[in-house]
Amino acid sequence: GENVEQHPSTLSVQEGDSAVIKCTYSDSASNYFPWYKQELGKGPQLIIDIRSNVGEKKDQRIAVTLNKTAKHFSLHITETQPEDSAVYFCAASTMGGSQGNLIFGKGTKLSVKP
Amino acid sequence: ETGVTQSPTHLIKTRGQQVTLRCSSQSGHNTVSWYQQALGQGPQFIFQYYREEENGRGNFPPRFSGLQFPNYSSELNVNALELDDSALYLCASSFSHTGELFFGEGSRLTVL
Repeated sequence: GENVEQHPSTLSVQEGDSAVIKCTYSDSASNYFPWYKQELGKGPQLIIDIRSNVGEKKDQRIAVTLNKTAKHFSLHITETQPEDSAVYFCAASTMGGSQGNLIFGKGTKLSVKP
Repeated sequence: ETGVTQSPTHLIKTRGQQVTLRCSSQSGHNTVSWYQQALGQGPQFIFQYYREEENGRGNFPPRFSGLQFPNYSSELNVNALELDDSALYLCASSFSHTGELFFGEGSRLTVL
């Protein structure tokens, strides 16, 4: 089955710097890759996603890149702000079947220091 | 548009007991998925319900069961609770053909 590895487990940056979180997946059939942000005591919030027919997607300060050949995808946050501090999860799934079956990475705790 | 709501938010049970968690899906969504999130880990897929039937299941034993009702709300039932069942249980809804999951705030279960 699918396995998703996420790095780093913790990341500390200064406000205004960029942050990059990387994930690799094992199942070449995976074709949907969402990123979630989870704040303390809350459920995961979808922040951006990418499908396998696209190499890059951007939404304001957030971008995601996908390399299908290498089976890895990355989240880029530019101009980080203290409110970006949270745990970020990458995930992968094959949308053709059970779309709810997301396989999550173990998360990256991002701390943005003012 | 209302989001995904879950109840209860917190509960404490003892080993061997049974628990029922409830979820109301986001308006317009017809599919509900349940996840278990242990402390410090990513969510793990339990199962998904579509049109009131189980539509995919993760690596969880049969004592984890669920229901989906005609209004698309859902229940997660766990029998014979074990200490390792202590976790945050997340419900997520989606419109079946898009695959984008929207999560609720979760139900925090503690098993003593």
